[in-house]
Amino acid sequence: EAGVVQSPRYKIIEKKQPVAFWCNPISGHNTLYWYLQNLGQGPELLIRYENEEAVDDSQLPKDRFSAERLKGVDSTLKIQPAELGDSAVYLCASSEWTGNEQYFGPGTRLTVT
Amino acid sequence: GQQVMQIPQYQHVQEGEDFTTYCNSSTTLSNIQWYKQRPGGHPVFLIQLVKSGEVKKQKRLTFQFGEAKKNSSLHITATQTTDVGTYFCAGSGGSNYKLTFGKGTLLTVNP
Repeated sequence: EAGVVQSPRYKIIEKKQPVAFWCNPISGHNTLYWYLQNLGQGPELLIRYENEEAVDDSQLPKDRFSAERLKGVDSTLKIQPAELGDSAVYLCASSEWTGNEQYFGPGTRLTVT
Repeated sequence: GQQVMQIPQYQHVQEGEDFTTYCNSSTTLSNIQWYKQRPGGHPVFLIQLVKSGEVKKQKRLTFQFGEAKKNSSLHITATQTTDVGTYFCAGSGGSNYKLTFGKGTLLTVNP
């Protein structure tokens, strides 16, 4: 069974540029999460989807970040415009249902210069 | 908001020694999960604890959930080089099911 797929794996952009990350969760998983992980820190939740509904986006900086999960499967996370402080690893995870164990993708390492 | 604290931040051991990491929450948790992240990798689920006072074992790993459901620990017996990585606890409390991760304990093992 394929795991959570993310692309790209690495991205380097200049500040003020837009960037987008893509995630394909494990087939059949109802819940999808986007996390941000800084070096030496644990993952921090940005947004959680149940099917196509964003049920927890309280930590998403909505002035520059947006996300969508069309048809309740794949998801994209966008930053526009990127700032230097956005440099981090962006992790996508999925679980069969909210509260179950989460399966993480390999992450996208974003560097903003 | 809910805070989850882990100690120690780093632990270096000789292969064969035991290792323990502790997790404390500012609020009562409904459940706690443990994840392992190898260097350069992504978090991998280890276990979930739900009941007060629960103890679960996975080979050399022993996980405990405190009686008050505000703390947890992970103990590794006779560490091996394959145990190297960062161990995260993540707690969930309340009705929103949000998982709050601790900062993790980085374990290094000297062969």
